[in-house]
Amino acid sequence: DAKTTQPTSMDCAEGRAANLPCNHSTISGNEYVYWYRQIHSQGPQYIIHGLKNNETNEMASLIITEDRKSSTLILPHATLRDTAVYYCIVSYYGGATNKLIFGTGTLLAVQP
Amino acid sequence: DAEITQSPRHKITETGRQVTLACHQTWNHNNMFWYRQDLGHGLRLIHYSYGVQDTNKGEVSDGYSVSRSNTEDLPLTLESAASSQTSVYFCASSGGQANQPQHFGDGTRLSIL
Repeated sequence: DAKTTQPTSMDCAEGRAANLPCNHSTISGNEYVYWYRQIHSQGPQYIIHGLKNNETNEMASLIITEDRKSSTLILPHATLRDTAVYYCIVSYYGGATNKLIFGTGTLLAVQP
Repeated sequence: DAEITQSPRHKITETGRQVTLACHQTWNHNNMFWYRQDLGHGLRLIHYSYGVQDTNKGEVSDGYSVSRSNTEDLPLTLESAASSQTSVYFCASSGGQANQPQHFGDGTRLSIL
């Protein structure tokens, strides 16, 4: 699986948009970009995923560059409860294979 | 609602003992996974299964085993617990169709003294 690079930590003001970047320059054509987050002491929570088109759901938006070498997760109106470690993962899906390789992620601290 | 549950949530045991951590999901998912999480390492894959009677080794499988006798359960066994296996363990499951995300349990905190 391709590796990802994320900043170690970021701050965001409550109510503002949080933009979390991720570089995945070695991503291959059949690898998807997934975002998960982990709030302290809880299991990781799925947020969103995409292949090449931008995606939006009730939690966030995912913007993937045209060359697919990087992406940005956007939380449109961050709240204190969004403080968590955010993981960007690229994963091959072929047949039943959807293993996730977690890095160390970005610690997002939402400030009041 | 469908869910994935792990038990126990906390366990303390001694080195050399056999320990089994339970994972039960009601999603009817084919795929199930076990991870461990330690400071500075993120989550690392221990074992995974793509269906009944199927098991596969992950990146840190030494000292662990799993068995899949039904769709709902994937118990993780530490044959002879070692202090290096003190960790937080997470179980996850996902459907067998393309790109379905993994759903995680709340974890088991295991301390081996």
